[in-house]
Amino acid sequence: QVQLVQSGGGVVQPGRSLRLSCAASGFLVSTYVMHWVRQAPGKGPEWVALMSSDGITKYYADSVKGRFTISRDNSKNTLYLQMDSLRHEDTAVYYCAKDRDQNLIHYFGDWGLGTLVTVSS
Amino acid sequence: DIVMTQSPDSLAVSLGERATINCKSSQSVLHTSNNKNYLAWYQQKSGQPPKLLIYWASIRESGVPDRFSGSGSGTDFTLTISSLQAEDVAVYYCQHFYTNPVTFGRGTRLEIK
Repeated sequence: QVQLVQSGGGVVQPGRSLRLSCAASGFLVSTYVMHWVRQAPGKGPEWVALMSSDGITKYYADSVKGRFTISRDNSKNTLYLQMDSLRHEDTAVYYCAKDRDQNLIHYFGDWGLGTLVTVSS
Repeated sequence: DIVMTQSPDSLAVSLGERATINCKSSQSVLHTSNNKNYLAWYQQKSGQPPKLLIYWASIRESGVPDRFSGSGSGTDFTLTISSLQAEDVAVYYCQHFYTNPVTFGRGTRLEIK
């Protein structure tokens, strides 16, 4: 049974950093494309970043490029999102998500419960 | 980026009645190489993550009740709930996966009349 257990959210001042974690069980993060998706209050989901199963390819939304970094630790079966230079507009619930299938097609069959990141002075 | 536009923003339907939600993409998400529409639908209940309902525009995810169906092609898509149940109260989102970045619609809030 697939589980994605998230941690690391909280309140942070603009310009500061935060790291989110997503511990996976029931599958290996090294065998699926993994994603971070965020959802601002009252808005639709917004895709943020992905990492390929081989760990080589990483894509980012233009809104976070150069500030956020996706990574993983295969030994811990855990996905991370390092968020630097945070802005007010980064305030959202952040979800980790897994491609439903191993076909490089990005629709999301499994989601974490989400972690709230609030950027506020 | 492909823009996904949903309508209506909110919808109130009586129990047992049909609910129809529309989604329009700013460009076609039909891949001519495989004749597949790269479109998914999600249901999000309050305080929960989105749940995949439909992919490839019309394929129901395992465990999703058959009152949920997806249709459409190219740029125009529809999610239909044939007989609304109380547990279907939620916000529904469409998402394309035709290119990177994938994008979502702004959602349709479904309520009981």
